Amino acid sequence: SAVISQKPSRDICQRGTSLTIQCQVDSQVTMMFWYRQQPGQSLTLIATANQGSEATYESGFVIDKFPISRPNLTFSTLTVSNMSPEDSSIYLCSGLAPGPLSYEQYFGPGTRLTVT
Amino acid sequence: EDKVVQSPLSLVVHEGDTVTLNCSYEVTNFRSLLWYKQEKKAPTFLFMLTSSGIEKKSGRLSSILDKKELFSILNITATQTGDSAVYLCAVDRNTGNQFYFGTGTSLTVIP
Repeated sequence: SAVISQKPSRDICQRGTSLTIQCQVDSQVTMMFWYRQQPGQSLTLIATANQGSEATYESGFVIDKFPISRPNLTFSTLTVSNMSPEDSSIYLCSGLAPGPLSYEQYFGPGTRLTVT
Repeated sequence: EDKVVQSPLSLVVHEGDTVTLNCSYEVTNFRSLLWYKQEKKAPTFLFMLTSSGIEKKSGRLSSILDKKELFSILNITATQTGDSAVYLCAVDRNTGNQFYFGTGTSLTVIP
């Protein structure tokens, strides 16, 4: 199994500023992902964080707005840039780790972001 | 377009009831279907299903996948107030890195 921590757990930010969210995994995971969960909605995949190279972004998400780093197998950051109230959301880090039979996906506790 | 649809969107039951949550999907290159329980912020992994007709069981929870009809069900028997949560279904594909999540079913168990 894998234990994933995120910080900050929550933040209130002003419009136009940027926030970097950190994700730390206690063991090596094969893949790391960043999700967003807007109020009342399900999880939406933002991007796959690739170790040592640029992240792979899903449709509707771009690197300039959500730069991601993954310098090693157990750490990643997501920056929400030039924030607007529409970016208010929970941001979740996730890691894929080998399980008993195949693999399992673990989630961090999330970062609740409010943009005013 | 790939999609995952869950039903019902919300459900209110009394303690001791049995509930069945549904997840249907249309996803190319299907690899597996996963169920999560989400309380507060982070989802908790429940089951991963890859083969049709094989029931997975954990305590009062069980789940089964039908790859021909493209759906899965999650059963919870003898519900307790602690089962109150949003239950998410997600589908994984062989190609790419996308996990498609359904909208979730919000379950409320009242004493």
